This record gives sequence, C-alpha cells and structure tokens, in this order.
Amino acid sequence: QVQLMQSGAEVREPGASVQVSCKTSGYTFSAHYIHWVRQAPGQGLEWMGRINPKSGGTSYAQKFRDWVTMTTDTSISTAHIELSGLKSGDTAVYYCVRGIVAGPHIWFDLWGHGTLVTVSS
Amino acid sequence: SYVLTQPPSVSVAPGVTASITCGGNNIGSRSVQWYQQKPGQAPVLVIYYDRDRPSGIPERFSGSSSGNTATLTISRVEAGDEADYYCQVWEASIDHVIFGGGTKLTVL
Repeated sequence: QVQLMQSGAEVREPGASVQVSCKTSGYTFSAHYIHWVRQAPGQGLEWMGRINPKSGGTSYAQKFRDWVTMTTDTSISTAHIELSGLKSGDTAVYYCVRGIVAGPHIWFDLWGHGTLVTVSS
Repeated sequence: SYVLTQPPSVSVAPGVTASITCGGNNIGSRSVQWYQQKPGQAPVLVIYYDRDRPSGIPERFSGSSSGNTATLTISRVEAGDEADYYCQVWEASIDHVIFGGGTKLTVL
C-alpha cells in the first residue's frame, strides 16, 4: 500500500528544536521528491521546501531557509524535517507530501496524515 | 514573487454548479493543480495539469485555465463537496511551489 506515515504530535517550548519523520512505503523512495507543507490553525497551506531523496539536494522557501533542515534516510525510506528556534507562530500541522514531476509541472499526489507541532511555554 | 488569489468563500445550493477561481499573472501558461481539504483531514488532489482528474475523483470535478484565471468547476454539487479548495502552481525559475490562499465551499 502506497502511503506516507508521519511521526506523532510534539510539544516544544519556544527556542527548542523538533524533528518530524515521514516513513514511506509502497513505492520506490528515490523516485520522487518529498515536499513539506505546513498549515497553521485555521490558515491555508504553506510550502516549506523539498528534498530529492536520491541526491539529498534541497530547495527551501525563503522564510524557512535559515531554520529548517530536510534530510532523508534511504536505507529506511524515510524523510525528516528538523525545525530549530521554534516560535509560537510555528504551531501548525506539518505534512510530508510526495511530489510528481512531469516536465515543468509538479503536483502532490500523496499526503501524509500530518503532524501537529505545538510551540508553547 | 508569484501570487495566487482565490476568493475566501463560495456558497451554492445542492445540485447546482460551483466555480472556484484562482487568479495569477498569466496563469494560463502554467500547470495548475487543485486540492480539496475537509476538516481534520489532509488535502486530496482533485485536478492536476489544469484539467486532469486522478483516479477516484468524480467526473463532476473539472478544471480549466486561460489568461490570468484558472477555474475549478464542481457540477451537481453535493453536501459532501463542502471543503476548502486550494490551487497550486510551480514557480520553475526558483524551484518553488506556490499555493493560493484557499476557498471555503459551503453547500447551503
């Protein structure tokens, strides 16, 4: 079964770090980029960046470039995102997403269930 | 940076056609995707490459794009279509994905 299984909800204090994991199954992990999208409570979808599991190459949205790190472990078909220096405004559901590329087009055909990260003192 | 503009809300009665727009500069030259998100759930792809439907998505969902506007059309709207809908494009020049702000579809 093709799926993305994310790690469980996390609570952190401001200034702390957190890692969210996304274990993939049912397809060749290296064949598709993994993207991360977040959604603050009551807000829309926000693209954070993506990683190429084959090369480890990344592309981050400008606002996340200095405090977000995306990695993969191909031996266990898992992607990770680490968020550092957390602020209360980073409280959100974080989704890992499989991206399909066809020429100059990208779409997201498979989404994880989401991981709620709460930042609170 | 490239911006996608969606109306915050659209309301329709059951059985009629709902149209949700996504505005962007020359969006007709890009590939537009649409996602449906119901409360407490992850988004689901309903339209890709402007007008193609993934398997399992009803034919009632269709898409089009031209000029500065892309449109998601839902025919014969049902109560189960009530959700938030997001458009999405890829800004290839900077390898970034962009989402519209989302439209809440209410079925009256």
